[in-house]
Amino acid sequence: DTGVSQDPRHKITKRGQNVTFRCDPISEHNRLYWYRQTLGQGPEFLTYFQNEAQLEKSRLLSDRFSAERPKGSFSTLEIQRTEQGDSAMYLCATGPGSNEQFFGPGTRLTVL
Amino acid sequence: AQKITQTQPGMFVQEKEAVTLDCTYDTSDPSYGLFWYKQPSSGEMIFLIYQGSYDQQNATEGRYSLNFQKARKSANLVISASQLGDSAMYFCAMREDGSARQLTFGSGTQLTVLP
Repeated sequence: DTGVSQDPRHKITKRGQNVTFRCDPISEHNRLYWYRQTLGQGPEFLTYFQNEAQLEKSRLLSDRFSAERPKGSFSTLEIQRTEQGDSAMYLCATGPGSNEQFFGPGTRLTVL
Repeated sequence: AQKITQTQPGMFVQEKEAVTLDCTYDTSDPSYGLFWYKQPSSGEMIFLIYQGSYDQQNATEGRYSLNFQKARKSANLVISASQLGDSAMYFCAMREDGSARQLTFGSGTQLTVLP
């Protein structure tokens, strides 16, 4: 257990529905990352927060995706109008600002 | 071009033997970091070892060591005395020292330890 928690662990939804995931980081970590991992691949970077500021977004993050980190604590990732191609594991990672990134257990999304 | 290349989709090793998992990388940034993560079937990403581009010595963490060859741009993971619990997917990743410091991962190597 790295101390990073994610909720829910699994989510099954129908195409076209909106979903929201939550990440609770290690409290003293100011860097927070979201990654997406599809079957058989390594994680791919989606977006990055330093405290409450979203400083970088990958071009993988389409307009249907939005992320927030109010007050620089927990973060949410919302996907609107889900598509089958959104099915993946969504991983949150946090870091104290130097080298390590500690990953949460992930949220596995299945879009039917 | 791929930034991180792991050419071994699957590897088998006998219990108690050593195994090397290959990783090559591509960057023009003089300052970067290299990581190895383990991902068991349960899905969590477990940090194993880190090597900075300016580190003079190869990193070691218990049974894990990183064979860093900067000129060849390789960062192979060596696991000594393999255990059944080492069976998992292993990912090599690189962090370039831009503002976000996000990790770029390879496609992974599935390691199976045989009894």
